[in-house]
Amino acid sequence: SQTIHQWPATLVQPVGSPLSLECTVEGTSNPNLYWYRQAAGRGLQLLFYSIGIGQISSEVPQNLSASRPQDRQFILSSKKLLLSDSGFYLCAWSVPPLFSGNTIYFGEGSWLTVV
Amino acid sequence: RKEVEQDPGPFNVPEGATVAFNCTYSNSASQSFFWYRQDCRKEPKLLMSVYSSGNEDGRFTAQLNRASQYISLLIRDSKLSDSATYLCVVNSVGSGNQFYFGTGTSLTVIP
Repeated sequence: SQTIHQWPATLVQPVGSPLSLECTVEGTSNPNLYWYRQAAGRGLQLLFYSIGIGQISSEVPQNLSASRPQDRQFILSSKKLLLSDSGFYLCAWSVPPLFSGNTIYFGEGSWLTVV
Repeated sequence: RKEVEQDPGPFNVPEGATVAFNCTYSNSASQSFFWYRQDCRKEPKLLMSVYSSGNEDGRFTAQLNRASQYISLLIRDSKLSDSATYLCVVNSVGSGNQFYFGTGTSLTVIP
């Protein structure tokens, strides 16, 4: 069966510090991968999605970046965090759209507090 | 206009009540539809897919009306454990397998 893991689960970072969140998927090949952010009391905002290694689409201009160095690995980064970057970050995967069962599955999430 | 809109609630209902959530979507070319459940400080988890013919899973019934671009979720005989936020989700493949989320409807089931 397929599983998705992301880490770290919780982190507190000072303003201006770098960020790296990592996500891996197991049990599937060539998944579509996503990074979402959920601010307190708000909906899910799509940050990045990827259909393959090195193929990243950015949905929202910001100081964050994403990379996909391997088929089942997705990394969210920032060189300098802002207070507004605080939130709940979720990695997710889905099968490519031409396959049946095209739904989206989430990792456990990472709580980021920028202080 | 938002891709997916839902009434945020909150809905506070007694145990045993029936509660219905509604959702509308803007892209008529959307292909797949889902309800997710999100518990406090946790990731969203798939509750059920939604089909044009309607589908039922125990106490939960989901319906899709493509003509009106409207999705519903009905929960019968509410349990305390149903307390959560329910997210309406729409998938559109045309612009790169995107999943669009409503902001969620908060449900609290009261003893």
